[in-house]
Amino acid sequence: AQSVTQPDARVTVSEGASLQLRCKYSYSGTPYLFWYVQYPRQGLQLLLKYYSGDPVVQGVNGFEAEFIKSNSSFHLRKASVHWSDSAVYFCAVSAYNNNAPRFGAGTKLSVKP
Amino acid sequence: AQTIHQWPVAEIKAVGSPLSLGCTIKGKSSPNLYWYWQATGGTLQQLFYSITVGQVESVVQLNLSASRPKDDQFILSTEKLLLSHSGFYLCAWSPGTGIAETLYFGSGTRLTVL
Repeated sequence: AQSVTQPDARVTVSEGASLQLRCKYSYSGTPYLFWYVQYPRQGLQLLLKYYSGDPVVQGVNGFEAEFIKSNSSFHLRKASVHWSDSAVYFCAVSAYNNNAPRFGAGTKLSVKP
Repeated sequence: AQTIHQWPVAEIKAVGSPLSLGCTIKGKSSPNLYWYWQATGGTLQQLFYSITVGQVESVVQLNLSASRPKDDQFILSTEKLLLSHSGFYLCAWSPGTGIAETLYFGSGTRLTVL
């Protein structure tokens, strides 16, 4: 079965700084990887996903993630964060023919003005 | 465009009382449907999923049940609430077309059991 680890429960950065949120997955087959964002008191929204091709995927609002198979990682990055990026970010992995991804514990991002 | 509506937005219920939460998806036929539970500050735990009307698969029951009475409706219920049922319940749908499907979430229901 697949699983996801997000080692950082909380991350605080200053506005304008760069950001990396870490995600490690465990799955013996070909993983399908996702990053979702959850703003306060809301459901989750997809930021980006990877299932094949270029290992660097671009998402909404300037986010990108890189799939590194050798490291079983799918870290999320942003060059310059804005205060509105404050939210909880979830990494998720699904297997072939498994429509429901397994989510990590989430990383709460706080952006200081 | 597809929309997903969850109801109610919030509930405060007594231990031992019944519960029914629902969601409706408009603009998409035969979606896959999901129920997730999120403890306060916690991760998402998938509870149930359904790929067709009348069929629901349980992932983790937590003394809850789910039903899909219509193609566009997914219901989560229990006859007796426990304190541990408190949390945030999210309904989601996916297109049901295959690999690496995006999940589209509702705005959730905040449940407090006292």
